[in-house]
Amino acid sequence: EAGVAQSPRYKIIEKRQSVAFWCNPISGHATLYWYQQILGQGPKLLIQFQNNGVVDDSQLPKDRFSAERLKGVDSTLKIQPAKLEDSAVYLCASSSTGAGGPYEQYFGPGTRLTVT
Amino acid sequence: GEDVEQSLFLSVREGDSSVINCTYTDSSSTYLYWYKQEPGAGLQLLTYIFSNMDMKQDQRLTVLLNKKDKHLSLRIADTQTGDSAIYFCAELEQGGKLIFGQGTELSVKP
Repeated sequence: EAGVAQSPRYKIIEKRQSVAFWCNPISGHATLYWYQQILGQGPKLLIQFQNNGVVDDSQLPKDRFSAERLKGVDSTLKIQPAKLEDSAVYLCASSSTGAGGPYEQYFGPGTRLTVT
Repeated sequence: GEDVEQSLFLSVREGDSSVINCTYTDSSSTYLYWYKQEPGAGLQLLTYIFSNMDMKQDQRLTVLLNKKDKHLSLRIADTQTGDSAIYFCAELEQGGKLIFGQGTELSVKP
């Protein structure tokens, strides 16, 4: 079974530029997550999708970050314009949906973003 | 709000047991997880425990849960150099969101 795919793996941009990340979850997984992992910290959830609907985007800085999952499969996360503090690894994860859990989340390799 | 705390570093010798500790705050968490992250890689799910269990064993891994003290631990038996990585504990919030600790860097010396 193929894992969660993400691209690109690395991206370097200047502040105020735009960037987009792509994620393809494990086949059949209805739930997709985007996490931000700043160096030395644990991942922090940015947005959670259930199929193509948003479940939780309370931690997403909506003035600059946007995400979509139009057909309920792959997803794109965009930052526009980027700030220095956006330098981080952006992780995508997916899980199947089942009542009561255990909601095993499987992670992709991440995209390392450096904003200069 | 919810918070998960871990010690930052642990160093052991190859062949010894490693114990990584974690405390959490959300008493309503139904599941608690341990993830492993190697350099430049995503997170790998190692194991999880349901909140009504005290212990779960999976090969070299033993998870202990003290729900009264909100304390979770991961014991790795016969630690190998390949176990060197950062280990994250995480608690499940309602709705499927994971709250992660800051990670414990395990260094295994030959």
